[in-house]
Amino acid sequence: DTEVTQTPKHLVMGMTNKKSLKCEQHMGHRAMYWYKQKAKKPPELMFVYSYEKLSINESVPSRFSPECPNSSLLNLHLHALQPEDSALYLCASSQDAGSYNEQFFGPGTRLTVL
Amino acid sequence: DQQVKQNSPSLSVQEGRISILNCDYTNSMFDYFLWYKKYPAEGPTFLISISSIKDKNEDGRFTVFLNKSAKHLSLHIVPSQPGDSAVYFCAASSPGNTGKLIFGQGTTLQVKP
Repeated sequence: DTEVTQTPKHLVMGMTNKKSLKCEQHMGHRAMYWYKQKAKKPPELMFVYSYEKLSINESVPSRFSPECPNSSLLNLHLHALQPEDSALYLCASSQDAGSYNEQFFGPGTRLTVL
Repeated sequence: DQQVKQNSPSLSVQEGRISILNCDYTNSMFDYFLWYKKYPAEGPTFLISISSIKDKNEDGRFTVFLNKSAKHLSLHIVPSQPGDSAVYFCAASSPGNTGKLIFGQGTTLQVKP
Protein backbone atom coordinates (compact mmCIF):
# COMPACT_ATOMS: atom_id res chain seq x y z
CA ASP A 1 0.00 0.00 0.00
CA THR A 2 1.70 3.18 -1.21
CA GLU A 3 -1.11 5.57 -0.52
CA VAL A 4 -1.76 8.49 1.78
CA THR A 5 -5.47 8.98 2.36
CA GLN A 6 -7.19 12.13 3.58
CA THR A 7 -10.73 12.78 4.77
CA PRO A 8 -12.88 14.63 4.11
CA LYS A 9 -12.25 15.55 0.49
CA HIS A 10 -14.14 18.83 0.88
CA LEU A 11 -15.07 20.78 4.00
CA VAL A 12 -17.07 23.96 4.41
CA MET A 13 -17.10 25.52 7.86
CA GLY A 14 -18.10 28.71 9.57
CA MET A 15 -15.71 30.80 11.59
CA THR A 16 -17.12 29.51 14.89
CA ASN A 17 -17.06 25.81 13.98
CA LYS A 18 -14.68 23.13 15.19
CA LYS A 19 -13.70 20.48 12.69
CA SER A 20 -10.89 17.99 12.10
CA LEU A 21 -8.97 16.81 9.07
CA LYS A 22 -7.70 13.24 9.04
CA CYS A 23 -4.75 11.61 7.32
CA GLU A 24 -3.69 7.97 7.24
CA GLN A 25 -0.79 6.02 5.76
CA HIS A 26 0.11 2.34 5.97
CA MET A 27 3.59 2.47 4.46
CA GLY A 28 5.34 2.24 7.83
CA HIS A 29 6.54 5.81 7.44
CA ARG A 30 7.72 7.51 10.62
CA ALA A 31 7.48 11.14 9.47
CA MET A 32 4.22 12.88 8.62
CA TYR A 33 3.54 16.41 7.50
CA TRP A 34 0.78 18.99 7.12
CA TYR A 35 0.97 21.50 4.29
CA LYS A 36 -1.28 24.32 3.17
CA GLN A 37 -1.55 25.18 -0.51
CA LYS A 38 -3.17 28.22 -2.05
CA ALA A 39 -4.03 28.39 -5.75
CA LYS A 40 -1.02 28.76 -8.07
CA LYS A 41 1.41 28.60 -5.12
CA PRO A 42 3.72 25.84 -3.88
CA PRO A 43 2.81 23.80 -0.80
CA GLU A 44 3.63 25.64 2.41
CA LEU A 45 4.85 23.51 5.32
CA MET A 46 2.87 23.79 8.55
CA PHE A 47 3.92 20.92 10.83
CA VAL A 48 6.31 17.96 10.87
CA TYR A 49 5.85 14.90 13.07
CA SER A 50 8.81 12.59 13.47
CA TYR A 51 8.27 9.30 15.31
CA GLU A 52 4.92 10.64 16.55
CA LYS A 53 6.47 13.73 18.11
CA LEU A 54 5.99 17.25 16.82
CA SER A 55 9.39 18.31 15.50
CA ILE A 56 8.55 21.41 13.46
CA ASN A 57 5.82 24.03 13.82
CA GLU A 58 6.29 26.70 11.18
CA SER A 59 4.81 29.45 13.36
CA VAL A 60 1.29 28.30 12.56
CA PRO A 61 -1.54 30.13 14.40
CA SER A 62 -2.97 28.24 17.36
CA ARG A 63 -6.34 27.90 15.64
CA PHE A 64 -4.64 24.97 13.86
CA SER A 65 -3.84 22.14 16.26
CA PRO A 66 -2.08 18.99 15.00
CA GLU A 67 -2.26 15.59 16.65
CA CYS A 68 -0.53 12.29 15.91
CA PRO A 69 -2.43 9.52 17.73
CA ASN A 70 -0.17 6.78 16.32
CA SER A 71 2.42 6.21 13.63
CA SER A 72 -0.22 5.78 10.90
CA LEU A 73 -2.57 8.64 11.72
CA LEU A 74 -2.32 12.41 11.66
CA ASN A 75 -5.09 14.84 12.51
CA LEU A 76 -5.42 18.58 12.13
CA HIS A 77 -7.96 20.16 14.46
CA LEU A 78 -9.46 23.43 13.28
CA HIS A 79 -11.15 26.05 15.44
CA ALA A 80 -12.16 29.67 14.90
CA LEU A 81 -10.69 29.81 11.42
CA GLN A 82 -10.69 32.88 9.20
CA PRO A 83 -11.81 33.11 5.55
CA GLU A 84 -8.15 33.53 4.53
CA ASP A 85 -7.51 30.01 5.87
CA SER A 86 -9.47 28.63 2.92
CA ALA A 87 -7.02 26.46 0.98
CA LEU A 88 -6.09 22.91 0.01
CA TYR A 89 -4.66 21.13 3.06
CA LEU A 90 -2.23 18.39 2.18
CA CYS A 91 -0.87 15.58 4.29
CA ALA A 92 2.36 13.83 3.36
CA SER A 93 4.53 11.08 4.76
CA SER A 94 8.09 9.87 4.32
CA GLN A 95 10.20 7.00 5.62
CA ASP A 96 11.63 9.35 8.21
CA ALA A 97 12.54 13.03 8.43
CA GLY A 98 15.96 12.46 6.94
CA SER A 99 17.18 14.64 4.13
CA TYR A 100 17.18 11.93 1.45
CA ASN A 101 13.59 10.75 1.52
CA GLU A 102 10.74 11.38 -0.86
CA GLN A 103 7.55 12.68 0.62
CA PHE A 104 4.32 11.12 -0.61
CA PHE A 105 1.28 13.35 -0.61
CA GLY A 106 -2.37 12.63 -0.09
CA PRO A 107 -5.09 14.06 -2.35
CA GLY A 108 -5.81 16.91 0.05
CA THR A 109 -8.83 18.40 1.76
CA ARG A 110 -10.33 21.45 0.07
CA LEU A 111 -11.32 23.72 2.97
CA THR A 112 -13.66 26.68 2.60
CA VAL A 113 -14.17 28.99 5.59
CA LEU A 114 -17.27 31.17 5.38
CA ASP B 1 14.64 35.13 0.00
CA GLN B 2 13.63 32.44 -2.46
CA GLN B 3 16.16 29.62 -2.24
CA VAL B 4 14.63 27.54 -5.02
CA LYS B 5 13.51 29.30 -8.16
CA GLN B 6 11.59 28.21 -11.20
CA ASN B 7 11.81 31.25 -13.43
CA SER B 8 9.42 30.07 -16.12
CA PRO B 9 5.81 30.18 -14.90
CA SER B 10 4.61 28.30 -17.96
CA LEU B 11 5.80 26.16 -20.87
CA SER B 12 3.95 24.91 -23.93
CA VAL B 13 5.24 22.05 -26.11
CA GLN B 14 3.90 19.85 -28.87
CA GLU B 15 3.03 16.23 -28.17
CA GLY B 16 5.98 13.95 -28.90
CA ARG B 17 8.59 16.68 -28.42
CA ILE B 18 10.89 17.21 -25.44
CA SER B 19 9.79 19.28 -22.44
CA ILE B 20 12.58 20.89 -20.40
CA LEU B 21 11.72 22.40 -17.05
CA ASN B 22 14.37 24.36 -15.22
CA CYS B 23 15.13 25.06 -11.58
CA ASP B 24 17.84 27.11 -9.87
CA TYR B 25 18.87 27.15 -6.24
CA THR B 26 21.02 29.43 -4.14
CA ASN B 27 22.03 27.35 -1.12
CA SER B 28 25.14 25.28 -1.81
CA MET B 29 24.29 23.09 1.19
CA PHE B 30 21.34 21.55 -0.68
CA ASP B 31 22.29 18.05 -1.80
CA TYR B 32 19.00 16.29 -2.58
CA PHE B 33 16.42 17.48 -5.07
CA LEU B 34 12.98 16.27 -6.07
CA TRP B 35 10.44 16.93 -8.80
CA TYR B 36 6.71 16.73 -8.20
CA LYS B 37 3.81 16.92 -10.64
CA LYS B 38 0.49 18.36 -9.58
CA TYR B 39 -2.91 18.24 -11.24
CA PRO B 40 -5.58 20.76 -10.12
CA ALA B 41 -7.35 19.84 -6.85
CA GLU B 42 -5.01 16.88 -6.26
CA GLY B 43 -1.96 16.34 -4.10
CA PRO B 44 1.51 16.53 -5.66
CA THR B 45 2.84 13.28 -7.09
CA PHE B 46 6.51 12.43 -6.65
CA LEU B 47 8.24 12.01 -10.02
CA ILE B 48 11.97 11.68 -9.62
CA SER B 49 14.81 12.72 -7.35
CA ILE B 50 18.55 13.24 -7.57
CA SER B 51 21.34 13.31 -5.04
CA SER B 52 24.27 15.68 -5.45
CA ILE B 53 26.66 12.75 -5.89
CA LYS B 54 25.06 12.22 -9.30
CA ASP B 55 24.62 14.50 -12.27
CA LYS B 56 21.84 12.53 -13.93
CA ASN B 57 18.99 10.26 -12.92
CA GLU B 58 16.59 8.61 -15.33
CA ASP B 59 13.21 6.95 -14.88
CA GLY B 60 11.37 6.07 -18.06
CA ARG B 61 10.46 9.24 -19.94
CA PHE B 62 11.76 11.45 -17.11
CA THR B 63 15.39 12.46 -16.67
CA VAL B 64 16.73 14.95 -14.15
CA PHE B 65 20.09 16.63 -14.68
CA LEU B 66 22.03 18.37 -11.92
CA ASN B 67 24.76 20.95 -12.48
CA LYS B 68 26.16 21.67 -9.03
CA SER B 69 28.62 24.33 -10.11
CA ALA B 70 25.79 26.31 -11.72
CA LYS B 71 23.32 25.40 -8.93
CA HIS B 72 20.90 24.35 -11.64
CA LEU B 73 18.75 21.34 -12.31
CA SER B 74 16.42 20.45 -15.11
CA LEU B 75 13.71 17.89 -15.78
CA HIS B 76 13.46 16.46 -19.28
CA ILE B 77 10.32 14.69 -20.42
CA VAL B 78 10.70 12.72 -23.65
CA PRO B 79 8.40 12.23 -25.46
CA SER B 80 5.89 14.63 -23.99
CA GLN B 81 2.28 13.47 -23.80
CA PRO B 82 -0.94 15.46 -23.28
CA GLY B 83 -1.38 13.71 -19.90
CA ASP B 84 1.86 15.38 -18.77
CA SER B 85 0.04 18.72 -18.71
CA ALA B 86 0.26 19.79 -15.06
CA VAL B 87 2.16 22.05 -12.68
CA TYR B 88 5.70 20.85 -11.97
CA PHE B 89 7.41 21.77 -8.70
CA CYS B 90 11.11 21.51 -8.08
CA ALA B 91 12.06 21.02 -4.41
CA ALA B 92 15.26 20.88 -2.40
CA SER B 93 15.56 18.92 0.81
CA SER B 94 16.66 21.14 3.66
CA PRO B 95 19.92 19.94 5.27
CA GLY B 96 19.89 18.74 8.86
CA ASN B 97 17.35 15.92 8.71
CA THR B 98 14.39 18.20 9.41
CA GLY B 99 12.18 16.76 6.68
CA LYS B 100 11.63 20.24 5.27
CA LEU B 101 11.28 20.62 1.52
CA ILE B 102 11.94 23.99 -0.07
CA PHE B 103 9.69 24.30 -3.11
CA GLY B 104 10.03 26.45 -6.19
CA GLN B 105 7.01 28.40 -7.43
CA GLY B 106 6.14 25.84 -10.07
CA THR B 107 5.99 25.71 -13.86
CA THR B 108 2.74 24.98 -15.66
CA LEU B 109 3.38 22.62 -18.57
CA GLN B 110 0.90 22.36 -21.41
CA VAL B 111 1.41 19.60 -23.95
CA LYS B 112 -0.62 20.21 -27.09
CA PRO B 113 -1.90 17.26 -29.16
